Amino acid sequence: QSALTQPASVSGSPGQSITISCTGTSSDIGAYNYVSWYQQHPGKAPKLMIYEVSNRPSGVSDRFSGSKSGNTASLTISGLQAEDEADYYCSSYTNSPTPNWVFGGGTKLTVL
Amino acid sequence: QVQLQESGPGLVKPSETLSLTCAVPAYSISSGYYWGWIRQPPGKGLEWIGSISHSGTTYYNPSLKSRVTISVDTSKNQVSLTLRFVTAADTAVYYCARHLAYASRTDYWGQGTLVTVSS
Repeated sequence: QSALTQPASVSGSPGQSITISCTGTSSDIGAYNYVSWYQQHPGKAPKLMIYEVSNRPSGVSDRFSGSKSGNTASLTISGLQAEDEADYYCSSYTNSPTPNWVFGGGTKLTVL
Repeated sequence: QVQLQESGPGLVKPSETLSLTCAVPAYSISSGYYWGWIRQPPGKGLEWIGSISHSGTTYYNPSLKSRVTISVDTSKNQVSLTLRFVTAADTAVYYCARHLAYASRTDYWGQGTLVTVSS
């Protein structure tokens, strides 16, 4: 069982917007602004899409945005495109019980 | 562009030791950043194994800490992972990655290497 909780799947049509939630606790997401989101296509390594809750690395489309409220972080993808179909993982830093890095179980995004 | 290249045996017997290395040819690992190992069992999600800072401080997943050692060989500019007493549950794709403190900004990942634990 993963430390962070994500929906198993979400779907949307091209051009639409979707949001993926990631729920943790007051010891991880709720305590630190070190939430990241990763995109993973089949057979490929994860790719960083968002770091520190809402920052986009250079080269990542501004269609991807991140936010946090309390113990829940969210990834929003606007203007869905076929190539967005992938697995998405959230992660967070935690200091409980020791410095630690936890992941969500992953969400499969299907572009209809 | 920073490249990370994992290497090691693709098959390990139960109860034996898994050893992998991560070479970073175009960046000096002692210059900065943290270097982490993350694994992904077939069809499942990501699990952090541990990380090492450029100065050699190590951080481990509490659930794996008793079996894991991560080290740096600055002469070869590579990071090593050792996982002892493996079982079938340790079968996974193993990735190395570069990140900042607090697991932030994991911007470069290796391509991953599949390790199967089987007799």
